Amino acid sequence: EPEVTQTPSHQVTQMGQEVILRCVPISNHLYFYWYRQILGQKVEFLVSFYNNEISEKSEIFDDQFSVERPDGSNFTLKIRSTKLEDSAMYFCASSEVRGRGRYNEQFFGPGTRLTVL
Amino acid sequence: GENVEQHPSTLSVQEGDSAVIKCTYSDSASNYFPWYKQELGKRPQLIIDIRSNVGEKKDQRIAVTLNKTAKHFSLHITETQPEDSAVYFCAASRVDSSYKLIFGSGTRLLVRP
Repeated sequence: EPEVTQTPSHQVTQMGQEVILRCVPISNHLYFYWYRQILGQKVEFLVSFYNNEISEKSEIFDDQFSVERPDGSNFTLKIRSTKLEDSAMYFCASSEVRGRGRYNEQFFGPGTRLTVL
Repeated sequence: GENVEQHPSTLSVQEGDSAVIKCTYSDSASNYFPWYKQELGKRPQLIIDIRSNVGEKKDQRIAVTLNKTAKHFSLHITETQPEDSAVYFCAASRVDSSYKLIFGSGTRLLVRP
């Protein structure tokens, strides 16, 4: 069964450094998402992406964050200048486009644990 | 803003007993309600979902009920087994927007053998 993959599984960085988290969504999916989960807390929506543009972003997704689909398979999340509070598990997810008004199951990747020192 | 409340935060049951987890959502336009199971260190995995045009859905030992008027939905697990032990998250979504999922705070379920 196809799965969403993410690399790296664990990223350790110094405060102020840039990080890029990578995701390969399921191949026939067209909606992509990033979520984060601070240790022991709920999963929080960051951004959704469709048709090569952001369709919605949360308050967390400020100017330090950006997303890109550089080619036909990868979907990346960049944090320009990491802060201590960016430490979390970052999940990528993807879903099919089933047509307007149709529900869509989101499939999650295994996550990247980001540790900012 | 959009919010999903989930209770209880922890739930301990004896193997074979039933477990019920409840969620309340704030956005009346929400129309899709998935439940995810997350084992320690693993990705969230969908176990069951329900759309707003249905009041109840069942899949073997798992069922979900939805009360649109009260904006409540619940997960019911019958005949619990130790492998059901995990964190369960409810979520709500609007399929006419970006399809983002708004998650509840999670319920840690422990099934005692």
